[in-house]
Amino acid sequence: DAGVIQSPRHEVTEMGQEVTLRCKPISGHNSLFWYRQTMMRGLELLIYFNNNVPIDDSGMPEDRFSAKMPNASFSTLKIQPSEPRDSAVYFCASSSYGTSGGTDTQYFGPGTRLTVL
Amino acid sequence: KQEVTQIPAALSVPEGENLVLNCSFTDSAIYNLQWFRQDPGKGLTSLLLIQSSQREQTSGRLNASLDKSSGRSTLYIAASQPGDSATYLCAAPTGGGNKLTFGTGTQLKVEL
Repeated sequence: DAGVIQSPRHEVTEMGQEVTLRCKPISGHNSLFWYRQTMMRGLELLIYFNNNVPIDDSGMPEDRFSAKMPNASFSTLKIQPSEPRDSAVYFCASSSYGTSGGTDTQYFGPGTRLTVL
Repeated sequence: KQEVTQIPAALSVPEGENLVLNCSFTDSAIYNLQWFRQDPGKGLTSLLLIQSSQREQTSGRLNASLDKSSGRSTLYIAASQPGDSATYLCAAPTGGGNKLTFGTGTQLKVEL
């Protein structure tokens, strides 16, 4: 398996521009997570989906951020308009939501390093 | 709200030493706890997942323990090697679903 695939790996944009990050989860996984990592705040969960349905978006910083999962093999995280404080590494992860009610191991993608000038 | 704390924040040891990384969590109503490794500029790699019914989980030179009653988990690394140098993060479930709260990590450096 190729693991979780994210694109682009690096993105440099100017303030005010729209940014779209993409993620392909591991085939067969039914949960998908978007995280943001910064030196100041560490790793923060932004939003997660179970079976393509958003379950918890309480970590999304503000309305400039939106995420979609149109099917089981693709998700996007969009920032519009982008601001310098959005500069961070954005990770996508996927897992299987267990029948016991718990979650299995989360598998992380390599991340997208976003720089907003 | 789940809060996860890791001590120490950084650790430097000579090669061959056995070491323990600590993780504490505030909400003990968890069904598992996970330990991850992160190399510089990379994503997170899962090391161990301990179910709440287990007290320990082992993988090679790594051993993780879980004590729900005290809200603590430890990651024991035996015979450390320079290749073990990385940041180690623990993560505990939050709110009964499959949402995880991560600690800030312990940055480990194993020196020759």
